[in-house]
Amino acid sequence: EDKVVQSPLSLVVHEGDTVTLNCSYEVTNFRSLLWYKQEKKAPTFLFMLTSSGIEKKSGRLSSILDKKELFSILNITATQTGDSAIYLCALSSNTGKLIFGQGTTLQVKP
Amino acid sequence: NAGVTQTPKFRVLKTGQSMTLLCAQDMNHEYMYWYRQDPGMGLRLIHYSVGEGTTAKGEVPDGYNVSRLKKQNFLLGLESAAPSQTSVYFCASSYSRGAQYGYTFGSGTRLTVV
Repeated sequence: EDKVVQSPLSLVVHEGDTVTLNCSYEVTNFRSLLWYKQEKKAPTFLFMLTSSGIEKKSGRLSSILDKKELFSILNITATQTGDSAIYLCALSSNTGKLIFGQGTTLQVKP
Repeated sequence: NAGVTQTPKFRVLKTGQSMTLLCAQDMNHEYMYWYRQDPGMGLRLIHYSVGEGTTAKGEVPDGYNVSRLKKQNFLLGLESAAPSQTSVYFCASSYSRGAQYGYTFGSGTRLTVV
C-alpha cells in the first residue's frame, strides 16, 4: 500500500532558526514528489521534485529528493512568523494517485 | 479564470441526510481528486478520476460516491451522512500525472454532520 510519512508532526521554533522537515515514502510507480504550504485554506504549491539529488530553491526554502533512500527534506532558513503553517508532502504515482503525508505543523515564535 | 471552484463552502447536515459536493474546473484538466482533511491527518484521498467517465477509490472511500460525467465536473456524494464525515473537503485537479504540471486546489468545503 502506498504510504507517505512526515516527521516531525509538529515543531515550534523561534524567528531566525533553521528547520528541516522530513518526508519518507513507500510508493509504487513513483512519478514526482511535491511540497505544499497550507495556512488557513487550500494548500499552496512550493516545489515539485522528480530527479534525485537536485536541489530546488526558492528564497529561504529549499528541497531535495533522495530516490535511493526514499525520502525528501524541506529546509527553511532564517524562519519568520509568516512561515507558520502546515507543510504537506505528497507523492504522485504513475497511476494518477496523489497521496499526502500527515503534514508537519510549524509554529515560528517571534 | 476561476481555476477550481467548490460548492458549497459550508454546510451543516443532520445524520442520515444526503448531499452532493460539486467541484468544477475550467482548465481542461484530465485528473481530478477529492480529499478530506481532519486535524493531524493531512489530506486523505477519497476518490479520484483520471478522465471523463472514470473514477477510482482512494484511501478512505467508504461512505462516499463520486461521478465524473463531464470532464470539468467531479461530484462527491454522501448518501447517508454520519458524524465521522465531519471534515473539510478539498477538490484538486491536474492536467496529467503531475510529473511536469502541478495540482490546483479548490478553497475547500467545511461540512459538519450533527
